[in-house]
Amino acid sequence: EDQVTQSPEALRLQEGESSSLNCSYTVSGLRGLFWYRQDPGKGPEFLFTLYSAGEEKEKERLKATLTKKESFLHITAPKPEDSATYLCAVRIQGAQKLVFGQGTRLTINP
Amino acid sequence: DAGVIQSPRHEVTEMGQEVTLRCKPISGHNSLFWYRQTMMRGLELLIYFNNNVPIDDSGMPEDRFSAKMPNASFSTLKIQPSEPRDSAVYFCASSQRRQGAFGSEKLFFGSGTQLSVL
Repeated sequence: EDQVTQSPEALRLQEGESSSLNCSYTVSGLRGLFWYRQDPGKGPEFLFTLYSAGEEKEKERLKATLTKKESFLHITAPKPEDSATYLCAVRIQGAQKLVFGQGTRLTINP
Repeated sequence: DAGVIQSPRHEVTEMGQEVTLRCKPISGHNSLFWYRQTMMRGLELLIYFNNNVPIDDSGMPEDRFSAKMPNASFSTLKIQPSEPRDSAVYFCASSQRRQGAFGSEKLFFGSGTQLSVL
């Protein structure tokens, strides 16, 4: 069965304290790994798509990386406005739908 | 563009009542997805449409749930009769799927409908 597991469930950091979120996956054939950000009371908002091991994408303080078994979302010198739930999702071979992980709830304290 | 528009934002109803959730996708998008989000199970795909045709409804919990897409700019998700365990946030998302381009499109989500069934 295709599975996506995110860790940790919740992470609390001080402003400026860098860290990484993990997304591990077990799928029959990966056709894309997606990172989304979700703010309270809103729908998920697209951040990145990664397709192959070794690929990296960056946006402001965020950098996403991909290996054959997992993806990391690195956050460098975070600010309070980076507080949100970060969701990882995979698209498997032959399917259009996305399978989401449970998310990591990130809180950045000023 | 206004993005994906969902209504209502909040719905409180009593067990046994019919509930209809509405979605207007982004103009020009040809795929539409209905997701449900709960603390316990996270985001789950219920059903999705391509060019107004239902493609995969394997995530629909049971016969009490039905979804329609009568045209490219409107979709509904109906629950009849509703039960307390249906309480969740229901999201609609749309995307522009290119022929044969699996894996390339990204989903745009609406703000969701918070459903509470008492």
